[in-house]
Amino acid sequence: ETGVTQTPRHLVMGMTNKKSLKCEQHLGHNAMYWYKQSAKKPLELMFVYSLEERVENNSVPSRFSPECPNSSHLFLHLHTLQPEDSALYLCASSQDRDRQPHNEQFFGPGTRLTVL
Amino acid sequence: AQSVTQPDIHITVSEGASLELRCNYSYGATPYLFWYVQSPGQGLQLLLKYFSGDTLVQGIKGFEAEFKRSQSSFNLRKPSVHWSDAGEYFCAVGGDYGQNFVFGPGTRLSVLP
Repeated sequence: ETGVTQTPRHLVMGMTNKKSLKCEQHLGHNAMYWYKQSAKKPLELMFVYSLEERVENNSVPSRFSPECPNSSHLFLHLHTLQPEDSALYLCASSQDRDRQPHNEQFFGPGTRLTVL
Repeated sequence: AQSVTQPDIHITVSEGASLELRCNYSYGATPYLFWYVQSPGQGLQLLLKYFSGDTLVQGIKGFEAEFKRSQSSFNLRKPSVHWSDAGEYFCAVGGDYGQNFVFGPGTRLSVLP
């Protein structure tokens, strides 16, 4: 596998379910990101991990819980979601040199999440 | 904090026609600017980036963009559009550490045969 992969590609879940999204990057990068892409809204940065430490959390509801066990893997744990959480969830990675985030981000194909 | 606007929500062009997508940014220092494209059901693919130097940047798939500091713009151009260029185009700006990417709302490009 090359680049950034995400599983599953599609997920349908009820509001009481618990599920996890997985992201894996094969680029040797040291920073990873979760974005939410909703219809007719700009991309929303949810979480940033640099060198496996969370460096930014943009006031995301606690029903979303990220986990970054190593620099290649990133998870987004989901529980008690709401229908408005239905969206495309994109993972990205970059090489964070000298703590400068302006290096380009490489994106995975996304997970299309539907909350019933 | 930085921000990005893309004034055009949806643009339709005929195959072979020229294209220009507009992007305006707001940032107090030298910005780092990017253009991405998203094909249906796919993630974002980087087309080109501007960090410094020559203000006319060449990217993949025949795209180019010009950084104009006086106009706070970074418009994307292509002289001849192909049907495979259809998709959603996002302009993004990055800044100093701690201020991550901010994406514009996107411009949807449709290409007529």
